[in-house]
Amino acid sequence: KQEVTQIPAALSVPEGENLVLNCSFTDSAIYNLQWFRQDPGKGLTSLLLIQSSQREQTSGRLNASLDKSSGRSTLYIAASQPGDSATYLCALPLNQAGTALIFGKGTTLSVSS
Amino acid sequence: KAGVTQTPRYLIKTRGQQVTLSCSPISGHRSVSWYQQTPGQGLQFLFEYFSETQRNKGNFPGRFSGRQFSNSRSEMNVSTLELGDSALYLCASSLAVIASTDTQYFGPGTRLTVL
Repeated sequence: KQEVTQIPAALSVPEGENLVLNCSFTDSAIYNLQWFRQDPGKGLTSLLLIQSSQREQTSGRLNASLDKSSGRSTLYIAASQPGDSATYLCALPLNQAGTALIFGKGTTLSVSS
Repeated sequence: KAGVTQTPRYLIKTRGQQVTLSCSPISGHRSVSWYQQTPGQGLQFLFEYFSETQRNKGNFPGRFSGRQFSNSRSEMNVSTLELGDSALYLCASSLAVIASTDTQYFGPGTRLTVL
């Protein structure tokens, strides 16, 4: 059974700092890995989706890497801004038969100005 | 293009009652999934529907049920509500048929409070 762990649970940084969020998973037979962002009391927004054959994906100041052999993914945020404050979740497919996801519990990021 | 819509946005019920939540996916999306989010357990998968068929089901009691209609709209029902059912219920839709392709698009959620 796939388990997803995110460390740390919370992180506070000053504006402008570069930071890394971590996600680990127990079963390396994955099809893809996604990073989502959730603002308080709101739904989720997809940030990056990495296919199992890829090593990384980039979007603006965000870079996500995937290492299936070690069961790890990282989300790198460059030059953090107060608007980046949110909870970041990583998610893996439950199986290939559908689109259901298993989520980590997230890292809550606070960026102070 | 309109996003995923969920109704109602907020609900207050008492223990023992039942509740029905509705989700309208993005036009053209046939895959709809439901999730429960609580502070203690995080986001947990409830069930997934594709073309009116339940494809996957999470580890929730039989009080939780769902269905999907021919227009891809989906409903979930919780009977005999318990205090622990208080949560944010999120619906997501996808253009993908299987896991390895497109992402999922989430609605704003329904906040259910059970008193």
